[in-house]
Parts: sequence; C-alpha cells; structure tokens
Amino acid sequence: KAGVTQTPRYLIKTRGQQVTLSCSPISGHRSVSWYQQTPGQGLQFLFEYFSETQRNKGNFPGRFSGRQFSNSRSEMNVSTLELGDSALYLCASSFGVTGGYTFGSGTRLTVV
Amino acid sequence: DAKTTQPPSMDCAEGRAANLPCNHSTISGNEYVYWYRQIHSQGPQYIIHGLKNNETNEMASLIITEDRKSSTLILPHATLRDTAVYYCIVRVEETSGSRLTFGEGTQLTVNP
Repeated sequence: KAGVTQTPRYLIKTRGQQVTLSCSPISGHRSVSWYQQTPGQGLQFLFEYFSETQRNKGNFPGRFSGRQFSNSRSEMNVSTLELGDSALYLCASSFGVTGGYTFGSGTRLTVV
Repeated sequence: DAKTTQPPSMDCAEGRAANLPCNHSTISGNEYVYWYRQIHSQGPQYIIHGLKNNETNEMASLIITEDRKSSTLILPHATLRDTAVYYCIVRVEETSGSRLTFGEGTQLTVNP
C-alpha cells in the first residue's frame, strides 16, 4: 500500500514568487492536512481538508491556501513568498477524524 | 487541546527499554493521548494512542496513569533506529479533526 506522496521533494523559489505543493494521500483516505515545520516554530498546523471542504485552519496569513480534489489529492499554494516561508511542508492523511495520521516525507521549500 | 510537558532529551542504551514520560495535567475526559516520532528530516510517524486504558502494539506500549494526568511511552528493546524526537500530543478527536498541536518533544538518543 503506497504511503502519502508529496511532490516535489525540494524546491527553490525567489521572494515574491508563488509556489504550489502537491500531496497524494493513501488510497481511501479522505482527510488531508498540511503542516509547516521550521527550526524556530517547530511543527505548525496549516489547514485540513475533508471531502473537498476546508474543515480546519491554522493561524497563517491568507497567502497560504489549499484545496482538495474529488480524488482526495490536495494542493497547497503560497503566494508572494517571503524568506520566512522557507520550511519543510508536510502533508498527512487519514480515513476519518480518529486514529493516527500518516505523514508524507515533505517538501523542502527554500526561498532566496 | 491540553498542553503537554516532556523532557527535552533522554538517552538509552541499545537493547534496553526506553521510557519516555509526558505530563498532561489539564487533560479533559474526552481527550486522547497520541505519540508520534520524527527521525531527522522525515515526516512524523504515528506510534500509538489511547484514552484511559494501557495500549500496546508492535512498536510500543502506552501506559496512562489512573488520573490520566501523565503517561509513559515504552519502547521495550530500543535500537539505534529509534533515535528520534518523540512527541506526546493530547487532542479531542471529534472537534480537533486532524489538527495536531506539536510541542518541543523529547530527543531520544539510543547509544550503542
């Protein structure tokens, strides 16, 4: 059974650009959530999607957005990139709201 | 979700049991205790979770005190590959959705 797949693994962008990250959940999982990990702030929740609807949102500016498709695949977008957006972005999936969540290996974003 | 307190670091000899403590004195009756671990630069890995009874799976055991104010994760025979940051999280499953509030965690180092 394939795990959570995140693409790309590494990305370098310039300040002011925008970026789109992709997450394919485990087959059958309908919940997809996103986290940002930085050395200073640790792991922080960004948002969660369930059946194409955003169900939960963390405390991040509107430059961070996401969506989920009918096949449960999800994308997150960051517009007008800032240096502080450099981080490991992690996606997690689950079948429902209970139990453990399976994380992907993440996308390492570097903003220069 | 209730706040948790974990020691910042612990050492363990290879082959011995690793006992990782977690305090969650403000836990509510409907909050579950979850444990995840993160090996450097990888996504967090789900280990185990429980409500009030002790739990065991192929990876670890979770011991929750009767008053539920603290818990201990036990890795029965630690190996070098168990070196990681271990996170203890408490959450209400129904309302939190997939929002996991990660603290600083415990850096476990397994020594040969």
